[in-house]
Amino acid sequence: QQQVKQSPQSLIVQKGGISIINCAYENTAFDYFPWYQQFPGKGPALLIAIRPDVSEKKEGRFTISFNKSAKQFSLHIMDSQPGDSATYFCAASKGNNDMRFGAGTRLTVKP
Amino acid sequence: DGGITQSPKYLFRKEGQNVTLSCEQNLNHDAMYWYRQDPGQGLRLIYYSQIVNDFQKGDIAEGYSVSREKKESFPLTVTSAQKNPTAFYLCASSIQRAGTGELFFGEGSRLTVL
Repeated sequence: QQQVKQSPQSLIVQKGGISIINCAYENTAFDYFPWYQQFPGKGPALLIAIRPDVSEKKEGRFTISFNKSAKQFSLHIMDSQPGDSATYFCAASKGNNDMRFGAGTRLTVKP
Repeated sequence: DGGITQSPKYLFRKEGQNVTLSCEQNLNHDAMYWYRQDPGQGLRLIYYSQIVNDFQKGDIAEGYSVSREKKESFPLTVTSAQKNPTAFYLCASSIQRAGTGELFFGEGSRLTVL
């Protein structure tokens, strides 16, 4: 049962462009929505996270937009760089024990 | 230099053999987790432990076993009962009571069954 649906599965963006990855969740009890970045052969690392009391959070070139009524959230990467090429996972949880991950988006930023 | 250490990084196993993946953390975290990663399926929870000598099954625990005898260590055994064990295995930890939800991951162990 996939409680977090992520799209697209893969994404190719030109250097300097905007990368957008979308996620939708089902469980309204979720109260923590992180994004993880994973480089090949490495473990994921927390990139940015949001709680449902705000609609947007920005950290440098990375922004999460959150729509509670639609049960959707997205990651925007502004001025995308080749070094951003990685797999990105959205997740949702209530408490650490119940973190549900999306299937992942493989981002390629072309120079 | 705090973090999570997984070993081995690569492991090959013949069918019918049990293998144990090591996970050690020096972050003083209470909670530890094992995830399995397959292409196109994200991360799926195998087992988690909130405290020493206690652990709970995740979504895909069949064919796996764990122990938590020390706070720092959470080894995963992939038994011969696991029908499709070839995968990338990730260990993670978190500060159980912090409420941030952040998981800290190791670099993973890639298991291939020959």
